[in-house]
Amino acid sequence: AQKVTQAQTEISVVEKEDVTLDCVYETRDTTYYLFWYKQPPSGELVFLIRRNSFDEQNEISGRYSWNFQKSTSSFNFTITASQVVDSAVYFCALSEEEANFGNEKLTFGTGTRLTIIP
Amino acid sequence: GAGVSQSPSNKVTEKGKDVELRCDPISGHTALYWYRQSLGQGLEFLIYFQGNSAPDKSGLPSDRFSAERTGGSVSTLTIQRTQQEDSAVYLCASSLVPGGAYEQYFGPGTRLTVT
Repeated sequence: AQKVTQAQTEISVVEKEDVTLDCVYETRDTTYYLFWYKQPPSGELVFLIRRNSFDEQNEISGRYSWNFQKSTSSFNFTITASQVVDSAVYFCALSEEEANFGNEKLTFGTGTRLTIIP
Repeated sequence: GAGVSQSPSNKVTEKGKDVELRCDPISGHTALYWYRQSLGQGLEFLIYFQGNSAPDKSGLPSDRFSAERTGGSVSTLTIQRTQQEDSAVYLCASSLVPGGAYEQYFGPGTRLTVT
């Protein structure tokens, strides 16, 4: 069974500090996908990134970067020079590959509430 | 283009009443998912539709929950004889095709409160 663990329930940092959100996953599949979603106070889940299990290359997008390490089953998310607008709940999620257009539902972690203090 | 839309945005109902929640996926998206977000359970999968295939109902918590998708587009989630534990935000998501290679786009959700 697949499982995603986000051990950090809440994090608060002062604006402009860097912050890393941890995500550890469990799966028996060799082909799977990892995601990060942002849920701002408005409530709508916003897609941030997708990674497949065969691509361990780290990715950077502006102030956001992601570190995928299969050896530790982790997919961590770092925000550099944090801003107040980054305040939100961040979810890490996993889906396993299914044949024949099968259900590749997302299994979510419990989320990390990030507060950026101005 | 338009994103996933859901209605109503908020619903308050009395225990024992039936409710219907609606989802309009992004046009052309063949895969549709319903999730529930509650304080005690986090974000959990409910049901999955893909084209004209039989839905995957494995996440529905009880037989009071059902869903349909008409014409491969709009979906309705029905909860019969609502209970207080059904109070949650119900989220709908769609993707272009099923599979993790395509991200799921989420609607704003329907906040259901059962009194």
